[in-house]
Amino acid sequence: KNEVEQSPQNLTAQEGEFITINCSYSVGISALHWLQQHPGGGIVSLFMLSSGKKKHGRLIATINIQEKHSSLHITASHPRDSAVYICAVDTDKLIFGTGTRLQVFP
Amino acid sequence: DAGVIQSPRHEVTEMGQEVTLRCKPISGHNSLFWYRQTMMRGLELLIYFNNNVPIDDSGMPEDRFSAKMPNASFSTLKIQPSEPRDSAVYFCASSWDRTHEQYFGPGTRLTVT
Repeated sequence: KNEVEQSPQNLTAQEGEFITINCSYSVGISALHWLQQHPGGGIVSLFMLSSGKKKHGRLIATINIQEKHSSLHITASHPRDSAVYICAVDTDKLIFGTGTRLQVFP
Repeated sequence: DAGVIQSPRHEVTEMGQEVTLRCKPISGHNSLFWYRQTMMRGLELLIYFNNNVPIDDSGMPEDRFSAKMPNASFSTLKIQPSEPRDSAVYFCASSWDRTHEQYFGPGTRLTVT
């Protein structure tokens, strides 16, 4: 079993839909990262969380340390949100999930 | 700031050759990370520097890989000798420190034939 599991692996949505991507982990962590990788390959850090909730524009990230679970929400999704979203946990090393491929259609 | 700069953006080399990838972090950032991304294994942390000192190199796959950070504005990742299985995209990222978000470079796509 992987130490970091993301679900779903693939996700399609219509523009405007509310989207949730989940990340579960099995190790103790000091922080959790959400990254976005665009079709061109570039990687952008969206959030770094150690507790609670963070919001940036239409993106919201939450983490429940006790349940070892984090969610990334996208409100009012748009085709430009189409990307791979990667969860990574920081233990004494960084461990990455395999990513969730999101496609948003107009 | 120009962001994290990596060079070259693309590298094609023959098996057995030495490959050197370069990274210039964002000015003022004290932490630097080298990552490798492949279809099979996804993103993997290779090595992490803090204040130019290697802190965690447990992700370096084998002795053929070495990384240096001679000063705060430059780092190299060297593969000698290169093998076809080293073909991947190599990303460099920097941050203020480990507790802050990382800024990624555009990556170097390495192909070893």
